[in-house]
Amino acid sequence: AQSVSQHNHHVILSEAASLELGCNYSYGGTVNLFWYVQYPGQHLQLLLKYFSGDPLVKGIKGFEAEFIKSKFSFNLRKPSVQWSDTAEYFCAVISRTGRRALTFGSGTRLQVQP
Amino acid sequence: NAGVTQTPKFQVLKTGQSMTLQCAQDMNHNSMYWYRQDPGMGLRLIYYSASEGTTDKGEVPNGYNVSRLNKREFSLRLESAAPSQTSVYFCASSEGGTSYGYTFGSGTRLTVV
Repeated sequence: AQSVSQHNHHVILSEAASLELGCNYSYGGTVNLFWYVQYPGQHLQLLLKYFSGDPLVKGIKGFEAEFIKSKFSFNLRKPSVQWSDTAEYFCAVISRTGRRALTFGSGTRLQVQP
Repeated sequence: NAGVTQTPKFQVLKTGQSMTLQCAQDMNHNSMYWYRQDPGMGLRLIYYSASEGTTDKGEVPNGYNVSRLNKREFSLRLESAAPSQTSVYFCASSEGGTSYGYTFGSGTRLTVV
């Protein structure tokens, strides 16, 4: 069965600091990868996704993620965070051949201090 | 606004009571999903419906049943609620396949006492 690990459960940064959130997945086959964001009191929204091609993908609000196949990783990055980036971030994976539904990681809560 | 609509937004149940969570989407999506969100555990898949007329179990189906009433609607039923089912429930939809992101509803916060 596929699984997703997010090792950083809670990250606290000051505004303008750089962000990198780790995501590792476990699955033997080919997968598609996603990052979602959940702002306080809101539902999940798609940040970015990777299917194939350039392993560096750009999403909304200045976020990007890099797929490293050899490490089974899909880390989320942002060069300079803002207070408005305070939210919970979820990595998710879906197998291209198995269960046709996303498997989510446990999430990373990001707190940006002004 | 187009999207996924969930009702109710909040619910308190007594142990043993039953209830149905409703979900409807107006984007003509093929696939619909039910997840539960618990602190520190992310979102866990309860059931999903890849297309109208089909439903499949997810990671945590015990204690739940679903109905894909038509292409728009996908309901989740708790037959006999237990405190362990206290959670936030999210419905989502997608065009189907593996290349599309999901559109999520705003969630139902359920407390079982």
